[in-house]
Amino acid sequence: QVQLVESGGGVVQSGTSLRLSCAASGFTFSSYGMHWVRQAPGKGLEWVAVIWYDGRNKYYADSLKGRFSISRDNSKNTLYLQMNSLRAEDTAAYYCARDRHGTTWYGTDYWGQGTLVTVSS
Amino acid sequence: QSVLTQPPSVSAAPGQKVTISCSGSSSNIGNNYVSWYQHLPGTAPKLLICEDDKRPSGIPDRFSGSKSGASATLAITGLQTGDEADYYCATWDSSLSAGVFGTGTKVTVL
Repeated sequence: QVQLVESGGGVVQSGTSLRLSCAASGFTFSSYGMHWVRQAPGKGLEWVAVIWYDGRNKYYADSLKGRFSISRDNSKNTLYLQMNSLRAEDTAAYYCARDRHGTTWYGTDYWGQGTLVTVSS
Repeated sequence: QSVLTQPPSVSAAPGQKVTISCSGSSSNIGNNYVSWYQHLPGTAPKLLICEDDKRPSGIPDRFSGSKSGASATLAITGLQTGDEADYYCATWDSSLSAGVFGTGTKVTVL
């Protein structure tokens, strides 16, 4: 069965960096676009970034450009989110999600359980 | 602030119908597929509708999606207490080259 398991979250200080990972199994990882979505405490869902199936196209939420970087290793079935210069407002649960196609946007049909990032000032 | 606007809350009695609107523009809803998600706090969001009006396997036909121009609608019929959750629309915005989620709607079963 399809599984997405995020890791790498934790409590970090403002201005530092963190890398999240999302281990995928149960499907041909290299055939699907992958997203990161976050939810800050008490707020709604916020789309973060997407990477196409082959890693050649990446797109980001405008507010995060330059600080966050999405990548994937299809040989390891793993998605990454490198987060730099973290701010208190980046505190959120971060989810990885699979797009229904190799590119986007066709809907995200499988989601991980999320990993919590807390940025303390 | 999201480019997709939803009502903050809707409510109805068990067995009744609710509709949730999602208003956007030609750069997002008007020219890209809309998805709908059910989200309970602390859990993974669940895809209810994809490609405007398609139900993934396992989603009951009580949930339906439609789109007209730059607006989309999620309808839930035969409302159940288990349907109490937050609901989000989402799509791609071609002008922003980014994904966008709606502001979210809380469904309450009276």
